[in-house]
Amino acid sequence: AQKVTQAQTEISVVEKEDVTLDCVYETRDTTYYLFWYKQPPSGELVFLIRRNSFDEQNEISGRYSWNFQKSTSSFNFTITASQVVDSAVYFCALSSNDYKLSFGAGTTVTVRA
Amino acid sequence: DTAVSQTPKYLVTQMGNDKSIKCEQNLGHDTMYWYKQDSKKFLKIMFSYNNKELIINETVPNRFSPKSPDKAHLNLHINSLELGDSAVYFCASSRSPGKYEKLFFGSGTQLSVL
Repeated sequence: AQKVTQAQTEISVVEKEDVTLDCVYETRDTTYYLFWYKQPPSGELVFLIRRNSFDEQNEISGRYSWNFQKSTSSFNFTITASQVVDSAVYFCALSSNDYKLSFGAGTTVTVRA
Repeated sequence: DTAVSQTPKYLVTQMGNDKSIKCEQNLGHDTMYWYKQDSKKFLKIMFSYNNKELIINETVPNRFSPKSPDKAHLNLHINSLELGDSAVYFCASSRSPGKYEKLFFGSGTQLSVL
């Protein structure tokens, strides 16, 4: 069975602060994919990033960066210099040999002006 | 044009009624899904179809019946609605059922059963 844990339920920061969202996963499969999705207040889910289990290279996209560490089964997400528009629920997800995308419980990020 | 569109956006109904949610994607994808998001924001897969064939059928009451008339459409019919069915239902699509595929989601249908 696979499992995704996002221990932080809610994070509140002031604009321009950095915020890191933790994601820890469990799977017995050697080949798997990790994802982050964003759900803004409008409700739709938007894909942010995908990482496969063989690629531990960290990635940066604008103010977003991701740190994948297989040794600790973690795929953390950092928003640098947060903005009010970053306020959303962020979901970490895992897909492996059962082809089902399993989501974590989500972390609600509130960025205050 | 919206890539994955689902209707209605809001659905308020009485217990015991039967209702349907429709979903259409114009991305040319082969695979479509239904996810349920509960009041705590937890997302769980319900069904997946690939080229009109059911490939994932999670432990869902048989009051829920998906139907895919073609690969661009996946509808969800719910019989004898119960209070516990209240949730947001998301339709999604992907190019294939592969585990590497990213999903494109609709904007959700908020179902409230009174």
